[in-house]
Amino acid sequence: NAGVTQTPKFQVLKTGQSMTLQCAQDMNHEYMSWYRQDPGMGLRLIHYSVGAGITDQGEVPNGYNVSRSTTEDFPLRLLSAAPSQTSVYFCASSYRGTSGSSPRETQYFGPGTRLLVL
Amino acid sequence: TQLLEQSPQFLSIQEGENLTVYCNSSSVFSSLQWYRQEPGEGPVLLVTVVTGGEVKKLKRLTFQFGDARKDSSLHITAAQPGDTGLYLCAGVGDSGAGSYQLTFGKGTKLSVIP
Repeated sequence: NAGVTQTPKFQVLKTGQSMTLQCAQDMNHEYMSWYRQDPGMGLRLIHYSVGAGITDQGEVPNGYNVSRSTTEDFPLRLLSAAPSQTSVYFCASSYRGTSGSSPRETQYFGPGTRLLVL
Repeated sequence: TQLLEQSPQFLSIQEGENLTVYCNSSSVFSSLQWYRQEPGEGPVLLVTVVTGGEVKKLKRLTFQFGDARKDSSLHITAAQPGDTGLYLCAGVGDSGAGSYQLTFGKGTKLSVIP
């Protein structure tokens, strides 16, 4: 298992450019999510999906779009990049543990994409 | 909105010392998780606590979930340089789609000096 993979690892954009951050998992997890991590702010949820074809907004969704056409992939799109979107982006996936087992709702994180918007 | 307050934000200690990190909320969570993140990597789950009052031990790390399931603590005994990293607590929502979502604290950056 490769786990959760993210591409690219680093990206520099100019204001107004668009791009897609890729995320894939090979663990057949039903739940996938995108977070951004900024200094002193912890991890904040951008969008999440509870299964193929189902997506919903998290805490900070503005400026980002997502889709979930397959169980494996959950791309994050920036339609018109802004300097405020400079951050480290993490994709995560999870399953629900079987009844009584531990750990529950374990989230597996990818290695992150570092994005700089100039 | 569920919030998790984590303290302290920064902690620098000498090797061999003990420390405690706190995670507090006014909200009830179905479970609470602790992650450790090293520079340039994603967070990695250390433990999940589920039952109010639960205590779990992972070698020199002791995790406790408050009786009311609103707070948690992480205690490290005889800290070592390998414990250096960012420690994040995360609360799991109570039901439905929220039970997949994590609410993260802002993290405690721990430095253990040899």
